[in-house]
Amino acid sequence: DAGITQSPRHKVTETGTPVTLRCHQTENHRYMYWYRQDPGHGLRLIHYSYGVKDTDKGEVSDGYSVSRSKTEDFLLTLESATSSQTSVYFCAISESKNGGYNQETQYFGPGTRLLVL
Amino acid sequence: KQEVTQIPAALSVPEGENLVLNCSFTDSAIYNLQWFRQDPGKGLTSLLLIQSSQREQTSGRLNASLDKSSGRSTLYIAASQPGDSATYLCAVRTDSWGKLQFGAGTQVVVTP
Repeated sequence: DAGITQSPRHKVTETGTPVTLRCHQTENHRYMYWYRQDPGHGLRLIHYSYGVKDTDKGEVSDGYSVSRSKTEDFLLTLESATSSQTSVYFCAISESKNGGYNQETQYFGPGTRLLVL
Repeated sequence: KQEVTQIPAALSVPEGENLVLNCSFTDSAIYNLQWFRQDPGKGLTSLLLIQSSQREQTSGRLNASLDKSSGRSTLYIAASQPGDSATYLCAVRTDSWGKLQFGAGTQVVVTP
């Protein structure tokens, strides 16, 4: 599982409240990603990071922000949660055993189920 | 924009039959293609990765092929077992930052 944990694993919150999800990895991977998974849409990239303090937007970044102050932690924040952000959120890392982009495999964390009422 | 399609969305096979899962993509400029398995309520488990320069990759009962020019990959699972029941997802890597574009998945049920 590439040493990826996510917290919390489940969360129920109310519309308008801020929410922060944490992804923690133990193997010093440079690249980290946040995806959301929704029925009918599959997995879509929200934000990604290519190093400490280096982040960029993905396909569905509106309403989300991220931070990475340490290599091991990548935080996803919903500034003001909305019902459309009810989803399962997955964190991933990218690992290459032999070097080179073509050989990089992504490994995923267990996910966080978020319900916004 | 890269689009990834998996057809069928679901299939059911009796135990022992070979499984054939299809994945197609619209832009052949990919770095690699990855197949994942997802059990209900769980995360994604990486099964196989095929580099853009490869034609196939094998791991145990699993074999994945890649035809980049036609934008297709096929995952073969030999002698299916009830434990193979899961959703199978394919994803293509589209750039050097590692962004993946996913298909919607094929839900597989293997009946005893």
